[in-house]
Amino acid sequence: DAKTTQPTSMDCAEGRAANLPCNHSTISGNEYVYWYRQIHSQGPQYIIHGLKNNETNEMASLIITEDRKSSTLILPHATLRDTAVYYCIVRPQHSNYQLIWGAGTKLIIKP
Amino acid sequence: DVKVTQSSRYLVKRTGEKVFLECVQDMDHENMFWYRQDPGLGLRLIYFSYDVKMKEKGDIPEGYSVSREKKERFSLILESASTNQTSMYLCASSLQHGGGQPQHFGDGTRLSIL
Repeated sequence: DAKTTQPTSMDCAEGRAANLPCNHSTISGNEYVYWYRQIHSQGPQYIIHGLKNNETNEMASLIITEDRKSSTLILPHATLRDTAVYYCIVRPQHSNYQLIWGAGTKLIIKP
Repeated sequence: DVKVTQSSRYLVKRTGEKVFLECVQDMDHENMFWYRQDPGLGLRLIYFSYDVKMKEKGDIPEGYSVSREKKERFSLILESASTNQTSMYLCASSLQHGGGQPQHFGDGTRLSIL
């Protein structure tokens, strides 16, 4: 199963776009990419997921490279409440449960 | 919105006690999961269930059991609590069918075993 690599931490100014990268160079064709975030003392919050195409919802956009070996989560207008640990996760399409969690990126939004 | 509710945010128990952690979801999800989260180790899957009365072991089932008598409720049981089971416990649920259904999490129970 594919694993992910993310930077340990990142800063972003409030109001700017936050771009969080994720490397998943061993991903296979049937594995989804998921993004979650975890604010201190809370459970992980689902953000977005994709298989091959770019995706957008009310929270964020997910850009997946054509070779699928990396992706970027974009928070278009970061606020202080977006400070959290962001996890990029891959999951085999055939599996309904196996989420492979890495260490995540600590994103700090600065005023 | 999906709502996954865990019965307690904080719980303190003693070594050797039998401990029950309860989780309820309100979205008619088939799948339910129990994880524990420890610093430096990330989230690790303890057990999951894909239907009522069905259960499957995850990566670290030792010392735990589960019960799913109703679709909306999934219980984690520590048969005889030990100090190494002090942790944050997270429950999640998801739909079974359809590609890529995400898991939705509760806010967790921080369990301390003294």
